[in-house]
Amino acid sequence: GENVEQHPSTLSVQEGDSAVIKCTYSDSASNYFPWYKQELGKRPQLIIDIRSNVGEKKDQRIAVTLNKTAKHFSLHITETQPEDSAVYFCAGERFNKFYFGSGTKLNVKP
Amino acid sequence: GAVVSQHPSRVICKSGTSVKIECRSLDFQATTMFWYRQFPKQSLMLMATSNEGSKATYEQGVEKDKFLINHASLTLSTLTVTSAHPEDSSFYICSAPQAYRNTEAFFGQGTRLTVV
Repeated sequence: GENVEQHPSTLSVQEGDSAVIKCTYSDSASNYFPWYKQELGKRPQLIIDIRSNVGEKKDQRIAVTLNKTAKHFSLHITETQPEDSAVYFCAGERFNKFYFGSGTKLNVKP
Repeated sequence: GAVVSQHPSRVICKSGTSVKIECRSLDFQATTMFWYRQFPKQSLMLMATSNEGSKATYEQGVEKDKFLINHASLTLSTLTVTSAHPEDSSFYICSAPQAYRNTEAFFGQGTRLTVV
């Protein structure tokens, strides 16, 4: 299956600063890369996704970039707010199976 | 978006007993559903693929006799943890993509299993 690596494992930023989380994947045939936000004890919530035919996608304060050649993709959160604090997971998808990264615990300090 | 409902949300059982977890797609059909397990402070690990009308396929290292999966209809998959032990305590979560569409996966709310 797909092997997805994610870093950093923890990230602390000051409110208003930007946060960047990076992932790499192994399967060059993967073409869908979602990012999920998970709050403690709750289900993952999709926050943004990107398909392999585009290099960047933006939704308000959140953006994702994809480099298919290098097989890596990144999540960018600008103007962070305390409510952005959560665990974020990237994933690679093959045949609707999702292989998740190890997660990044983001802490936004007020 | 589509809704996936998982039941129960929490369950406590004694060692040696079996526990059944249900995953339902409420407003769409799902020929395939996926079961994940998440240990505290860890990532979601794919356990198995539940296929409507056929046998489930399991990821490497997952015991098929311990984690029984049945996909009885296009809207229901069940995961039964048999002869549960404390090390099976975890957060189990299902997901279902919409049939015949390459879209995001929709996750159930998860089941917190505690084996005592």
